[in-house]
Amino acid sequence: NAGVTQTPKFQVLKTGQSMTLQCAQDMNHEYMSWYRQDPGMGLRLIHYSVGAGITDQGEVPNGYNVSRSTTEDFPLRLLSAAPSQTSVYFCASSYSAGRSDTQYFGPGTRLTVL
Amino acid sequence: TQLLEQSPQFLSIQEGENLTVYCNSSSVFSSLQWYRQEPGEGPVLLVTVVTGGEVKKLKRLTFQFGDARKDSSLHITAAQPGDTGLYLCAGAYSGGGADGLTFGKGTHLIIQP
Repeated sequence: NAGVTQTPKFQVLKTGQSMTLQCAQDMNHEYMSWYRQDPGMGLRLIHYSVGAGITDQGEVPNGYNVSRSTTEDFPLRLLSAAPSQTSVYFCASSYSAGRSDTQYFGPGTRLTVL
Repeated sequence: TQLLEQSPQFLSIQEGENLTVYCNSSSVFSSLQWYRQEPGEGPVLLVTVVTGGEVKKLKRLTFQFGDARKDSSLHITAAQPGDTGLYLCAGAYSGGGADGLTFGKGTHLIIQP
């Protein structure tokens, strides 16, 4: 049981480049989400999904797209990277959208945009 | 955007001392969670509290939920170097939807041997 996996672990991009951060879970969880973590800012929700085919915006969605074609996968796409998107990105999953459910986090992707 | 304040932001103490970390909001939580995060890893859930006045213990860690469900505290007794890490509280506000948790900015805790 791998839990929540994220790839890559580290990434450096130039301004304007695009890329996809991968996230997968093997726990058959319905709810998945993406957060970014910045110094002094805590974790902020980017996008979330309550099930396959359903996604919605969180607190800071601009510049990011998501899709949920399967229960297992929830990729995050940066369309045109900007230095302000330099951050550590965490994917999380939980059994349901119940807000007292345990959130299982992946190990994170550290992204630097030059 | 709901705000969830954590204090202190940084705390460095000697092994064996006790400490308390606080999490406060002006709004009512339907539930509150505490997570611990180590460098290079994602947060890991320690506890969930849902009932006002609830107290939960996890070995040397004691978690308390305020009677009005607007605040919470984490108390560590006889801190050990293994307790070092970033402690995050995360709240689900009453009336909120499926849009995730609101996280505090965290308390960076260092336990000196």
